[in-house]
Amino acid sequence: GENVEQHPSTLSVQEGDSAVIKCTYSDSASNYFPWYKQELGKGPQLIIDIRSNVGEKKDQRIAVTLNKTAKHFSLHITETQPEDSAVYFCAASTSNAGNMLTFGGGTRLMVKP
Amino acid sequence: DAGITQSPRYKITETGRQVTLMCHQTWSHSYMFWYRQDLGHGLRLIYYSAAADITDKGEVPDGYVVSRSKTENFPLTLESATRSQTSVYFCASSRNTPNQPQHFGDGTRLSIL
Repeated sequence: GENVEQHPSTLSVQEGDSAVIKCTYSDSASNYFPWYKQELGKGPQLIIDIRSNVGEKKDQRIAVTLNKTAKHFSLHITETQPEDSAVYFCAASTSNAGNMLTFGGGTRLMVKP
Repeated sequence: DAGITQSPRYKITETGRQVTLMCHQTWSHSYMFWYRQDLGHGLRLIYYSAAADITDKGEVPDGYVVSRSKTENFPLTLESATRSQTSVYFCASSRNTPNQPQHFGDGTRLSIL
């Protein structure tokens, strides 16, 4: 089955700096890659997703890039703010898997003011 | 727009007791999922359902029972709770078209003494 590895497990940045979180996946049939943000005491919330027919997607300060050949995808957050502090999860899915997601282990991002 | 709601938010019970966690969604999503989240293990799938009256096991189903008599509800029952089932439980739902995100509730924090 699919295996998703996520790095780093913790990331500390200064406010205003950029943050990058990387994920690799094992199943070449995976074609959908969502990213979730989880704040303390809350459920994971979708922040951005990318499908395999595009290489990059951007939404204001966040962007996701996908390299299908290398089987990795990354989340980029620019101009980080303290409210970006949270745990971030990447995930992967194939269209044959009934919207089943395989999650990475999570990255705790801390933005220092 | 209520979305997906879980109840109760917090529950304390004793070993051997039966406890049911509720999940309700207002989107008429076909797919529903139950996860548990523990430190060091990320999100692990317990059970999922593709439609009413259709359920299937996930990665960690032992000790849990689910049912889905109505599309909008997907209760999770621990028939005889054990301390190892102390965790935070998340319910999620998604549409029945390929490559759709899952939408999560805010979780139930369950402590078994």
